Parts: sequence; C-alpha cells; structure tokens
Amino acid sequence: DAGVIQSPRHEVTEMGQEVTLRCKPISGHDYLFWYRQTMMRGLELLIYFNNNVPIDDSGMPEDRFSAKMPNASFSTLKIQPSEPRDSAVYFCASTLTSGANVLTFGAGSRLTVL
Amino acid sequence: GQNIDQPTEMTATEGAIVQINCTYQTSGFNGLFWYQQHAGEAPTFLSYNVLDGLEEKGRFSSFLSRSKGYSYLLLKELQMKDSASYLCAVMDSNYQLIWGAGTKLIIKP
Repeated sequence: DAGVIQSPRHEVTEMGQEVTLRCKPISGHDYLFWYRQTMMRGLELLIYFNNNVPIDDSGMPEDRFSAKMPNASFSTLKIQPSEPRDSAVYFCASTLTSGANVLTFGAGSRLTVL
Repeated sequence: GQNIDQPTEMTATEGAIVQINCTYQTSGFNGLFWYQQHAGEAPTFLSYNVLDGLEEKGRFSSFLSRSKGYSYLLLKELQMKDSASYLCAVMDSNYQLIWGAGTKLIIKP
C-alpha cells in the first residue's frame, strides 16, 4: 500500500488566495483526519470523517476553512481566503476504525502564506 | 480541561538510555500512544498502552500507570537516528486523541 498520500507537499501563496490541500487515505480505512501542526500550538485536530461523513469539525478555526470527502478515496481541505497565520504543516491521517487503532499520517503539506 | 505534559527538549548521548515522561489529565482514558516524528516528516506510531505496566518492543519500551496519569518512553542503546520529537497522545472517553506538545530529543555523539 502506498500509504496516505497528500498533495501538494509544499505550497507558497499570497494572502487572500484560495488554497486546496488534497488527501488520499489508505484503501479500506473508514476514518480520515485533518490535522494542523505549528511550533506554537503543536498538533491540532481540525476535522474528521467517518465513512465520508464529517463527524466533528469543532477544530476548524473559522469559516475560511472547509473540508469535504466526496468519496472514500479522496478528501480536500480548503482555505479561502488564506492568511499568514494559516502557515503551518497540514497532515492528513487515516485509520481502520475508531478506538485503539493506529493513525497513519501522510507526509504533510507545508503551507506558507505571505 | 484536558492536558498532556511532556518535557520540551532532552539531550542524551549515543549508546546511552533516555526516559521521556508524559503526564496526563483527561476526561476518561482509552489508551496512550507514543509517536516518533523526525524533523520535516510525519509522526509514526511507536507504541500503545492501555493496561498498567511495561510494553517492550526492541530498543523501545513504554510504561503506563493509569492511577498516576503517567507514562514514559524508554529508549535504550541510543543511536543518532533516534534524534526526533516524541509525541505522547491519550485517547479520552470519546475516543478523541489528545496530543502533547512533543519532546525534542537530541542525541550527541
């Protein structure tokens, strides 16, 4: 298995632009998570899906952030408009079921908003 | 509130042993995870404890005391490649993972 695949790996954009991050989870995994990691705040859960349905989006910072999972093999995290404080590494992770199952993380998307 | 505490940074010598502590206060408990994260890379799973005691896996061991809200990760025979951040995460009663800020481990020759 290729693991969790994220794109782009690096994105540099200007304030106000729309950013779309993409994720392909491991085939057969029912849960998909979007995390953000910064030096100041560490790993923060933004949103997670179960069987393509958003379950908890309480971690989404504000309305500028949105996430979708149109099918079991694809999810997007969109920021519109982007701001410099959104600069971070965004990780996607998937797991087979809830409970004590190990998260497998993608390589991350490093976003820099100028 | 929910809280996970770990030291920010530790330094150890190649070939030695190091213990990274994690204390937690969470709403319920459904297990504790340790992840390793090399600089610029994704976190990768190291260990999982749900019962009290020591779990050994090669050079790495993880200990849990639920009554004390305490865990540690023990790394033996340190190698330069062990230089990384080590993240402690607790699964609460809602099966949500609460993450610590991570401990940056620096290995010196």
